[in-house]
Amino acid sequence: DPKIIQKPKYLVAVTGSEKILICEQYLGHNAMYWYRQSAKKPLEFMFSYSYQKLMDNQTASSRFQPQSSKKNHLDLQITALKPDDSATYFCASSQTNQAPLFGEGTRLSVL
Amino acid sequence: QQQVRQSPQSLTVWEGETAILNCSYEDSTFDYFPWYRLFPGESPALLIAIRPVSNKKEDGRFTIFFNKREKKLSLHITDSQPGDSATYFCAAHGGSGNKLIFGTGTLLSVKP
Repeated sequence: DPKIIQKPKYLVAVTGSEKILICEQYLGHNAMYWYRQSAKKPLEFMFSYSYQKLMDNQTASSRFQPQSSKKNHLDLQITALKPDDSATYFCASSQTNQAPLFGEGTRLSVL
Repeated sequence: QQQVRQSPQSLTVWEGETAILNCSYEDSTFDYFPWYRLFPGESPALLIAIRPVSNKKEDGRFTIFFNKREKKLSLHITDSQPGDSATYFCAAHGGSGNKLIFGTGTLLSVKP
């Protein structure tokens, strides 16, 4: 059974709309992350959270907002979607200073 | 600015040969270097990792050689198998925020 659950697996959106990508981990990890994989950048770091607090943000656009309602949740809200946002978004988690384990990803297509 | 670099971009070896994947980094504060393997359509899977206190880490057919002075490391895959064909990413951890920075990857093809 996957220990890092991402929902949905596939997502199609229209330009200008808003979507939320869900991530839950059941590994007891205290750190969670979002990464993006696209043709332009293989694996791009976006955000890191530790104990539900934002630790690092490498995403220039404020259209991307992580949301952590619980310790084991880190959702990603994306507003005003653009075709360039089309990518696979990976959620990951780890204990502090350990290599993250990745979820199966959400494949987003923006038309 | 690419903080973690990988070479070659793609590599083809024959079954049974040793594949050597290279990685270099710039930030001397990086303190942990995992390697991930990515099959098409799947998520990155942690293979093996090393900390700068060691210059070698071995796990089965996978070995990391680490040169702290030159800020270089390499992943050696011995007795390569067609099933090893995938993209391999070197990553570096460190700095504030607990972030992991990935290289651009090496696409490995193992021909039978």
